[in-house]
Amino acid sequence: AQTVTQSQPEMSVQEAETVTLSCTYDTSENNYYLFWYKQPPSRQMILVIRQEAYKQQNATENRFSVNFQKAAKSFSLKISDSQLGDTAMYFCAFMKQGDDKIIFGKGTRLHILP
Amino acid sequence: GAVVSQHPSRVICKSGTSVKIECRSLDFQATTMFWYRQFPKQSLMLMATSNEGSKATYEQGVEKDKFLINHASLTLSTLTVTSAHPEDSSFYICSATDRGAFSPLHFGNGTRLTVT
Repeated sequence: AQTVTQSQPEMSVQEAETVTLSCTYDTSENNYYLFWYKQPPSRQMILVIRQEAYKQQNATENRFSVNFQKAAKSFSLKISDSQLGDTAMYFCAFMKQGDDKIIFGKGTRLHILP
Repeated sequence: GAVVSQHPSRVICKSGTSVKIECRSLDFQATTMFWYRQFPKQSLMLMATSNEGSKATYEQGVEKDKFLINHASLTLSTLTVTSAHPEDSSFYICSATDRGAFSPLHFGNGTRLTVT
């Protein structure tokens, strides 16, 4: 069975700083997808970034980028130039290729301080 | 983009009554939808996979007679919490994937259920 581990329950950084959220996962699959979802106080789940396991290049979306280390089964999220609107719960998630079921980590609560 | 609509967003009911939550894919067909439950400050826990035209697949520990799922069409899945009790109070979220163009799960806005 797949598991997703987020070892940082809560983090706080100053606005404009860079912050990295950690995520590790365990799977015997070779083909899969990894995601970072953001859940602001509104509780709406918002996709931040996704990574296909077969791609070696790290995904990037504007201020958000990942460090995907397949051998180490690590998938960290870096937020550059953090903004107050980045304050939210962040979930790392795993999905096996061909299966729509997503497994979520426990989440990291991120506070961006003014 | 693809949108998943969930209704109601908030519901309060009395113990012993049943509550139905709807999840609709608005501009795509969803053969599979998922129902999650989220306790305060916790992660999303997958409850069941809703399959159009067939029985739902429940995760271990989820009571299928308590949480009835019906996926009658390619755009609608419903979750009925039967004989609700205060411990069923939670935030319920549905999701669906647009397989027509691979995209990860699109989530509804969730339903906050309070059982008094």
